[in-house]
Amino acid sequence: LAKTTQPISMDSYEGQEVNITCSHNNIATNDYITWYQQFPSQGPRFIIQGYKTKVTNEVASLFIPADRKSSTLSLPRVSLSDTAVYYCLGGYGSSNTGKLIFGQGTTLQVKP
Amino acid sequence: GAGVSQSPRYKVAKRGQDVALRCDPISGHVSLFWYQQALGQGPEFLTYFQNEAQLDKSGLPSDRFFAERPEGSVSTLKIQRTQQEDSAVYLCASSPRGVGNTIYFGEGSWLTVV
Repeated sequence: LAKTTQPISMDSYEGQEVNITCSHNNIATNDYITWYQQFPSQGPRFIIQGYKTKVTNEVASLFIPADRKSSTLSLPRVSLSDTAVYYCLGGYGSSNTGKLIFGQGTTLQVKP
Repeated sequence: GAGVSQSPRYKVAKRGQDVALRCDPISGHVSLFWYQQALGQGPEFLTYFQNEAQLDKSGLPSDRFFAERPEGSVSTLKIQRTQQEDSAVYLCASSPRGVGNTIYFGEGSWLTVV
């Protein structure tokens, strides 16, 4: 399973685009990269998942370079409600039993 | 539709007491997971079920922890003789099929051992 490394914390202001980069140097060939968001007192919530290149949904974009050793979660025009912890995970490969490794995540603080 | 439901939401147990935490996964979801989350940390894997089969229990911290899913739907995480270090949020998650699908988390059961 891929061990991931991401910044412990980030600050931003409302309306800005936020990019959170995650390193996963030993990601396996069949592993996907998945990002979760967690608010206080709630369980993690799926944001986006990708394998390579770019994936976009109504919430975020995920950029994965060709070597797949890193990925960048992009949140457009953040608001105060985007203040949360963001986790980058490598896993979901065919050999994975579901044992996701979360790490400490990135605490994003959005300021007015 | 309903999400993953966990109960109790909050539990205070005296040290040495046994506790049972219940998880109702999303209807029809084959896979079920338990995670433990200490304050300020990311969730840590405890165990994984596919239907009623417990395929991975490598994350259970000691033999005081036991999980079951006898009919392949509802699951119970039991902690015997609770210790203060067991204080954490216990998260249950489920996914539609086997590995390779998005997993959906419940709100968690907050356990405080005093």
